[in-house]
Amino acid sequence: ETGVTQTPRHLVMGMTNKKSLKCEQHLGHNAMYWYKQSAKKPLELMFVYNFKEQTENNSVPSRFSPECPNSSHLFLHLHTLQPEDSALYLCASSQRASGEQWSEQYFGPGTRLTVT
Amino acid sequence: AQKVTQAQTEISVVEKEDVTLDCVYETRDTTYYLFWYKQPPSGELVFLIRRNSFDEQNEISGRYSWNFQKSTSSFNFTITASQVVDSAVYFCALNSNYQLIWGAGTKLIIKP
Repeated sequence: ETGVTQTPRHLVMGMTNKKSLKCEQHLGHNAMYWYKQSAKKPLELMFVYNFKEQTENNSVPSRFSPECPNSSHLFLHLHTLQPEDSALYLCASSQRASGEQWSEQYFGPGTRLTVT
Repeated sequence: AQKVTQAQTEISVVEKEDVTLDCVYETRDTTYYLFWYKQPPSGELVFLIRRNSFDEQNEISGRYSWNFQKSTSSFNFTITASQVVDSAVYFCALNSNYQLIWGAGTKLIIKP
C-alpha cells in the first residue's frame, strides 16, 4: 500500500447505527486530518492530530469521535448521525516540521457516507 | 479575516484550449502559503503546488503554470493545451496562522 488509504470507500448507515471510518498513511508523516466535503460547500476541517495529539477540533458535534492510536492510523467513530452528515469524508496526512506552518497535505480517496 | 475566493464555479472548454482558473485570497498575515489541489471524479484530492508568500516567481510544470501576484492577492492557475484528463474540480487553499482555508473549488470540464 502506498500513500493514504481509507476504508470503507462507501458506507450507508441508519441514524441509530455505530460505525467507524479508518485511515492509514504509509508516508511516514506526523500529522493527520479529517475533513468533511459536502456538495456545494468548501472543504471543512474537522480534526487535526499532530504527533498523535489532537490539536484542532473545529466545533464538530460529539456524534463524531476521532481516535489516533499512532501516527499512521486515524479513525473516525460515528454514532447517532443525522441525514445532513451525509458527505464525503476525507483523511489527509502531512509532515509538519518544528516551527513550520502546514506543509502540503496528501489525501486519501475518501469515504462516501450516506445516513438514512 | 482569512478567505479564499474561486469565483468561477464551473468552466467548460474544448480540448487543446488554454484555460485559467482564478484564485483570490485575503489575509492580514505577512507569511502564508498558497496551494492548489486537483480532485478528479474518483474523489481523491491531489496536491499540485505550494507557494510561500515570499516567493513571487511564477512556476511552470509541464502544461501547468501558476501566476502569483501579491499586489492583487491572486494565485491563478493556467492549463495549456488542455486534455480531457484535466477534467476535475480544482481547489485553491491558503495556509495562514496554522489554519488551512479552502476555496469553494472550480469544476473544469474539458470536452473532446
